[in-house]
Amino acid sequence: DAGVIQSPRHEVTEMGQEVTLRCKPISGHDYLFWYRQTMMRGLELLIYFNNNVPIDDSGMPEDRFSAKMPNASFSTLKIQPSEPRDSAVYFCASDTRDPADLNYGYTFGSGTRLTVV
Amino acid sequence: QKEVEQNSGPLSVPEGAIASLNCTYSDRGSQSFFWYRQYSGKSPELIMSIYSNGDKEDGRFTAQLNKASQYVSLLIRDSQPSDSATYLCAVGGFYTGGFKTIFGAGTRLFVKA
Repeated sequence: DAGVIQSPRHEVTEMGQEVTLRCKPISGHDYLFWYRQTMMRGLELLIYFNNNVPIDDSGMPEDRFSAKMPNASFSTLKIQPSEPRDSAVYFCASDTRDPADLNYGYTFGSGTRLTVV
Repeated sequence: QKEVEQNSGPLSVPEGAIASLNCTYSDRGSQSFFWYRQYSGKSPELIMSIYSNGDKEDGRFTAQLNKASQYVSLLIRDSQPSDSATYLCAVGGFYTGGFKTIFGAGTRLFVKA
């Protein structure tokens, strides 16, 4: 199993540009999570999907952020327009189990380090 | 605002010693508790999960949960330099808006050879 695959690994972009981050979950995992990690705020849940349907997007910081999951093997997180404060490491994670099932634990991708200048 | 608090460290222990990492959480309704390890520049990886009061052992790792005192700890026996990493405590429960998992900021552990 290749694990959770994210691309790109690094992204440097100018303020105002659109940024698209990509994630391929582990095959068979029907839960997909997008997290953001910064030194100041730690690891924050942005949104999660179950069977390609967004379940909780309350962590999405503002309308500049959007996420989609068009099929079971692909998800995107888009920032438009990007701002310097969006600079962070963005992780995708997947799992087979409902987060409300006590016996769960995410598998994280390697992350995308985003720098907005 | 649900909170998960950890001492940021760094916690420094000699090789072979026991490393003790602690975490407190604010919501008594929290139901699931996790420890993740994150090496510098890498993604978090799950070490252990615990749901019931008491101890849970897995190899050199022991997780301890005390719901009455609202704390969870991780003991690492026979610490190795390869254990040097940031350890993230995560707490899950039904909070406002649904079920959420909240991560602490992490404790940096250094194991000196």
